[in-house]
Amino acid sequence: SAVISQKPSRDICQRGTSLTIQCQVDSQVTMMFWYRQQPGQSLTLIATANQGSEATYESGFVIDKFPISRPNLTFSTLTVSNMSPEDSSIYLCSVEDQAGARTEAFFGQGTRLTVV
Amino acid sequence: DQQVKQNSPSLSVQEGRISILNCDYTNSMFDYFLWYKKYPAEGPTFLISISSIKDKNEDGRFTVFLNKSAKHLSLHIVPSQPGDSAVYFCAARLAGNNRKLIWGLGTSLGVNP
Repeated sequence: SAVISQKPSRDICQRGTSLTIQCQVDSQVTMMFWYRQQPGQSLTLIATANQGSEATYESGFVIDKFPISRPNLTFSTLTVSNMSPEDSSIYLCSVEDQAGARTEAFFGQGTRLTVV
Repeated sequence: DQQVKQNSPSLSVQEGRISILNCDYTNSMFDYFLWYKKYPAEGPTFLISISSIKDKNEDGRFTVFLNKSAKHLSLHIVPSQPGDSAVYFCAARLAGNNRKLIWGLGTSLGVNP
């Protein structure tokens, strides 16, 4: 299993500012995933962070709002740009272990963001 | 359009009894299903999974049942313990190259001593 460290664990930010969330994995992984969980909602995939290429964004999410970096196989960052109260959410970093038919996703502890 | 549905937002069970958490899905292209548990201020942790070619998988106190014809799966926890109190998420994986996970809204389980 992978151990994922995510920081900050929480933050309160002013609207219009940006926050960068860091995700460190204890092993090399090909793909890292960024999720958002808004209050009362399910986990929603924002994007897949690929090492050596641009991130792949899901419908409804754009690079200008959520720029992602993936400088190496153990680290990624997600930036929430020009924040508004609607961005208040839990942001989660994840990696997947896909061995044959199996898939298992491992998560960081999440970043609880409140925008005021 | 919620492709993975957990229709019960919460469930309360007595310690020692069975907890049954339900999950329904609409997409027949899902080939793998997972259950996760989430405590407050922590990320989800993997519990148990099942391939679409099986109808049951058991791991200790946790058993997952899959009914493909009904597009329904359930997680059974027996006996339930107070430490099982958490939010449980059902997730389904799309078959093919884009093996994306689709998540349900979660069910909050409370196990009373």
